[in-house]
Amino acid sequence: KQEVTQIPAALSVPEGENLVLNCSFTDSAIYNLQWFRQDPGKGLTSLLLIQSSQREQTSGRLNASLDKSSGRSTLYIAASQPGDSATYLCAVNYGQNFVFGPGTRLSVLP
Amino acid sequence: GAGVSQSPSNKVTEKGKDVELRCDPISGHTALYWYRQSLGQGLEFLIYFQGNSAPDKSGLPSDRFSAERTGGSVSTLTIQRTQQEDSAVYLCASSRGTWETQYFGPGTRLLVL
Repeated sequence: KQEVTQIPAALSVPEGENLVLNCSFTDSAIYNLQWFRQDPGKGLTSLLLIQSSQREQTSGRLNASLDKSSGRSTLYIAASQPGDSATYLCAVNYGQNFVFGPGTRLSVLP
Repeated sequence: GAGVSQSPSNKVTEKGKDVELRCDPISGHTALYWYRQSLGQGLEFLIYFQGNSAPDKSGLPSDRFSAERTGGSVSTLTIQRTQQEDSAVYLCASSRGTWETQYFGPGTRLLVL
């Protein structure tokens, strides 16, 4: 069964900290993997997309890595800001199926 | 418009009624996706379209659910004989090509009484 898990479920940090969010998937035959953020009452915003042949992608203060063989991806957020507070979702694309993790709820305290 | 739009934003219906949810993708995006987010649960993939074709409909929860896309643009998700367990936020996304970066709409919040 294709399952995606995320650790931690929730995280609260003071502003300025660097942090790592983890995503694990059971089936390594992925097409690509995306990280999204979801703000309360709003839709999802795509942050980064990593193709199965790639090891990492960077956008501003965000860096996502992918280790297909171990079934893991991490999202690194540098110098966190209160505006980063949201739920972060990892989603794995298996070609005909798109499986989301349960998310990590992040709170960055000023 | 600049982004994906969905209508209605909220829908309250009675059990047993049919509902139709609409998604307008970003202009020029060939792929379109439907998801469901139930209260307290994660996002569930329902179906995707490449152009007007849906290669795999097995993600739809039951045969009461159907989806179509016409003209490579607007898509509708229809739920027949709604049940209380259908209550959820239904999200639509589109991408330039299949499985490229997806852009999400704000969702339709469906409540079945």
